[in-house]
Amino acid sequence: AQSVTQPDIHITVSEGASLELRCNYSYGATPYLFWYVQSPGQGLQLLLKYFSGDTLVQGIKGFEAEFKRSQSSFNLRKPSVHWSDAAEYFCANDMRFGAGTRLTVKP
Amino acid sequence: DAGITQSPRHKVTETGTPVTLRCHQTENHRYMYWYRQDPGHGLRLIHYSYGVKDTDKGEVSDGYSVSRSKTEDFLLTLESATSSQTSVYFCAISESTLVGQPQHFGDGTRLSIL
Repeated sequence: AQSVTQPDIHITVSEGASLELRCNYSYGATPYLFWYVQSPGQGLQLLLKYFSGDTLVQGIKGFEAEFKRSQSSFNLRKPSVHWSDAAEYFCANDMRFGAGTRLTVKP
Repeated sequence: DAGITQSPRHKVTETGTPVTLRCHQTENHRYMYWYRQDPGHGLRLIHYSYGVKDTDKGEVSDGYSVSRSKTEDFLLTLESATSSQTSVYFCAISESTLVGQPQHFGDGTRLSIL
């Protein structure tokens, strides 16, 4: 069965530091992959998506993600984290979601 | 923001009572979804709809039923609520499941079953 794995439940980074959130998927064909962000008490907001073409995709709020078929990964990155990035992040493959990674940003 | 309204936003009820959650969209999107969100599990799909009167089960559909009599409304019913159904429920919509269409989410319904 398809699955999406986010190995890190909780990550803490300092403001201004770089960020990488990991996501691994299991799927035979080229997957349709998404990253969403959820602030407390809110629904999920789409950060970026990949379904074909360039393996490095740009999203909103300065985020990017790279699709690596050989590693079955779709990791989310940001070069410099802002305090407002503190939230929970979900990787998804169509209707299947990972368990989420909670990001804490230290001043 | 996508026009998605979930009601109620909060509900507390007792075990054994029926509960209906409503999702209303103003985007005229074909697909609608119900998820539940629980700590450590992310979002899990309960049911989804691909058109009026067309629905299908997700991975955690036991104990839940849905109905879609109009494009804009998707109802989730717990026929006899149990404490294990205490959760935050999210509705989502998308234009299509083809070629990487993302979903747009409502703000959720927090349901507590005592």
